Amino acid sequence: GDSVTQMEGPVTLSEEAFLTINCTYTATGYPSLFWYVQYPGEGLQLLLKATKADDKGSNKGFEATYRKETTSFHLEKGSVQVSDSAVYFCAPGGSNYKLTFGKGTLLTVNP
Amino acid sequence: NAGVTQTPKFRILKIGQSMTLQCTQDMNHNYMYWYRQDPGMGLKLIYYSVGAGITDKGEVPNGYNVSRSTTEDFPLRLELAAPSQTSVYFCASGTESSYEQYFGPGTRLTVT
Repeated sequence: GDSVTQMEGPVTLSEEAFLTINCTYTATGYPSLFWYVQYPGEGLQLLLKATKADDKGSNKGFEATYRKETTSFHLEKGSVQVSDSAVYFCAPGGSNYKLTFGKGTLLTVNP
Repeated sequence: NAGVTQTPKFRILKIGQSMTLQCTQDMNHNYMYWYRQDPGMGLKLIYYSVGAGITDKGEVPNGYNVSRSTTEDFPLRLELAAPSQTSVYFCASGTESSYEQYFGPGTRLTVT
C-alpha cells in the first residue's frame, strides 16, 4: 500500500529562517500530493497540493514541487514566522479519495 | 456554514463502556472519514464512507463501528472501550472532485 516518510521532528527555527521539511512517498501510479497543517488544538487543514509531476503547489509563502523521479514533495518556506508554528503532514492521495498521512513534523518558530 | 462539527470535544470513559462520537457536515459532501491521531504517529484511517448507506474499513477498524444513514451524519461507535482507544479522533469530509478533506476540531477521548 501507499506509505509516506517525513523528516523527523521536532524542528526549531528562529524567525525569518529558511524551512525545509522532507517528504518521500511510495504509491501506485502518480498520485496527487498534499501538505496539511495542524495548528495547536485544531483539526488539519489543507496547506497546498500538486496534482501532477513538476507541478508546484504554493500557499502562505510555502512551496512544494512534485518530483516524480525522486518520489518526493519537500515543503519549503523562505522566511518562517512565529505564526507558522504547527505540525505539518505530507499525504499522497489514494483510492476513494483516501489520504495516507505521514507521522507529522512539529515546527516551532522562536521570535 | 459550520463545516464539519464533532461532539463531544472531550470525554473520559471507563474500560468496557461504550459511546458514540458524533460527526456532522453541512457541505453536502459524499465522502466522509474517521481518523485517530496518536502522539508521533500521524493519522490512521478507521472507517470511511463514499455516500449514504455505504461504509468501508480503513487501516485500524477493530473495536469501532460506523453507520451512514444520511449524507450529513457519520457517527463512530466504540463498543467495550479499551485503554488502547485513548486518542484524538477526527472526522473529515470531501468530494469526488478533489482530494481536499475538511476536518472537524476533534474529540479527545481518554479510556481509564
